[in-house]
Amino acid sequence: DTAVSQTPKYLVTQMGNDKSIKCEQNLGHDTMYWYKQDSKKFLKIMFSYNNKELIINETVPNRFSPKSPDKAHLNLHINSLELGDSAVYFCASSQGTGRQYGYTFGSGTRLTVV
Amino acid sequence: GENVEQHPSTLSVQEGDSAVIKCTYSDSASNYFPWYKQELGKRPQLIIDIRSNVGEKKDQRIAVTLNKTAKHFSLHITETQPEDSAVYFCAAGYSTLTFGKGTMLLVSP
Repeated sequence: DTAVSQTPKYLVTQMGNDKSIKCEQNLGHDTMYWYKQDSKKFLKIMFSYNNKELIINETVPNRFSPKSPDKAHLNLHINSLELGDSAVYFCASSQGTGRQYGYTFGSGTRLTVV
Repeated sequence: GENVEQHPSTLSVQEGDSAVIKCTYSDSASNYFPWYKQELGKRPQLIIDIRSNVGEKKDQRIAVTLNKTAKHFSLHITETQPEDSAVYFCAAGYSTLTFGKGTMLLVSP
């Protein structure tokens, strides 16, 4: 069983489109995250949710909107896609906040905007 | 917020040599310091971690050291093998992790 699963694995789309990436974890973790990894491999936090509530929202364009219907799911919706949004997006989960236990990452979604 | 610096950005070694990757952090509240290995096209995977109440931790060929006073921590890999070739990330934090920019390690046979 995959602990943190993301879909789709690859996403190629045109500028201006709206797309969503889904993430689910079956580890019973309380906290979920979205990270963006650019072409230089830099992992940058975008959002963090704890028990369905947003706890971190880094400087991210408001075209990016996370949605957490329950603590096992954290989806990412992106409006009006731009060329600069091309990257690999990783979902991750951890045991909880306050005491860090390390992240389990999903396999990533490679987004290419053309 | 936390700022994590990682050096070197690339590291080439011969098989059997040791490799050392160093990181510094800025936030004295950080108390958790994991290291992740990311192979090409794969997800980052936790390989070892250390908490602020420990100065050193070892797991087979991998060891991590932490100097809280100086705010730096290091990853040591001994007897490197070609399969150790990957990008390695350090991270630091209290509740949310901030990652270093990664070190590409290349182990040549």
